[in-house]
Amino acid sequence: AQSVTQLGSHVSVSEGALVLLRCNYSSSVPPYLFWYVQYPNQGLQLLLKYTSAATLVKGINGFEAEFKKSETSFHLTKPSAHMSDAAEYFCAVTLDYKLSFGAGTTVTVRA
Amino acid sequence: ETGVTQSPTHLIKTRGQQVTLRCSSQSGHNTVSWYQQALGQGPQFIFQYYREEENGRGNFPPRFSGLQFPNYSSELNVNALELDDSALYLCASSQNTGEASEAFFGQGTRLTVV
Repeated sequence: AQSVTQLGSHVSVSEGALVLLRCNYSSSVPPYLFWYVQYPNQGLQLLLKYTSAATLVKGINGFEAEFKKSETSFHLTKPSAHMSDAAEYFCAVTLDYKLSFGAGTTVTVRA
Repeated sequence: ETGVTQSPTHLIKTRGQQVTLRCSSQSGHNTVSWYQQALGQGPQFIFQYYREEENGRGNFPPRFSGLQFPNYSSELNVNALELDDSALYLCASSQNTGEASEAFFGQGTRLTVV
């Protein structure tokens, strides 16, 4: 079954610093990959998705992710962190009808 | 265009009771999926409904059941509640069941079983 692994359950960055969240997938075929963000006591919001059209995917709020087949990775980055980026981030992959999520990475931003 | 709405936002139930959670899908969406998110974990797929029929189910016992109505809104029912059922329950709607179809999530229902 397809799955994703998020490396690092917690990431702390300074405001203005690079945000890098790691996600690796296991799949025998090119997957559809997603990054979602969850703010406290809220549902999930889609940041971006990879559907094989382009390996570099740009999303909302300045985030982007690069699909690397050779590394089976789909890492999420943002060049300059903002205080509002503090949240939990989930990488997910679809198989048939369902989303399979990673365990999540909590991002804290230091002033 | 209204988004996905869930009700109630919070509730507390006693072990052994039954609960019904409700979800209104986004306009134009015919597919609804339910997820359970335990504290500190990623969401886990419960089941999906497409045009009023169950279209797939995750590894949850039969006491988790659901319905989808003609207007594509949906209910999640849980019987014989257990303490481990305490979680955030998320509903997501999408335009179809395709793998690339974007899922739009509601804000969730926080269920506490005591």
